[in-house]
Amino acid sequence: NAGVTQTPKFQVLKTGQSMTLQCAQDMNHEYMSWYRQDPGMGLRLIHYSVGAGITDQGEVPNGYNVSRSTTEDFPLRLLSAAPSQTSVYFCASSPGTGSNQPQHFGDGTRLSIL
Amino acid sequence: GQQVMQIPQYQHVQEGEDFTTYCNSSTTLSNIQWYKQRPGGHPVFLIQLVKSGEVKKQKRLTFQFGEAKKNSSLHITATQTTDVGTYFCAGPQQGAQKLVFGQGTRLTINP
Repeated sequence: NAGVTQTPKFQVLKTGQSMTLQCAQDMNHEYMSWYRQDPGMGLRLIHYSVGAGITDQGEVPNGYNVSRSTTEDFPLRLLSAAPSQTSVYFCASSPGTGSNQPQHFGDGTRLSIL
Repeated sequence: GQQVMQIPQYQHVQEGEDFTTYCNSSTTLSNIQWYKQRPGGHPVFLIQLVKSGEVKKQKRLTFQFGEAKKNSSLHITATQTTDVGTYFCAGPQQGAQKLVFGQGTRLTINP
């Protein structure tokens, strides 16, 4: 059982480059979300989705786009990378509406912007 | 907006000592969740508390949810080196399907 799979595990970008962080889950969970983790700031919600075709903004959405064309996949796009986006990114999924259910996290993507 | 605050931010203990982390919300929570993140790892769900005044135990870990459902605590009795990591609380944001995490408490242990 793969659970939540994130790719890549590590990435280095130059300022201004764009890229997509991939997230896939095989648990048929409706709710998926993206968090970024920075030292001393815990986990901050970027975007979330309550089902295919539905997305919404979290606490820190600026500079990021998401889409949810299937139940399984929830990619996160960095439009024009900035050094402030250097962080560890976690994707999570849960059944039901999400905020009242345990979150299953992927292993994370460690992203550095030079 | 809703805030979830955790204290302390860091805690260093000798192995065998007890450890407690506290979580406080600016608003009433329908439930509170606790997660553990090992160094270099990802957060792993530990438990969910739903009822006012609820107390749940997992071996040496005791979780409490306050009577007003605005605060919670995690207490570890007789810490072991396997307890090392960062402990997060999280609660749903009122009126939205968002989970708000506290800043976490990083626990280190001297063997």
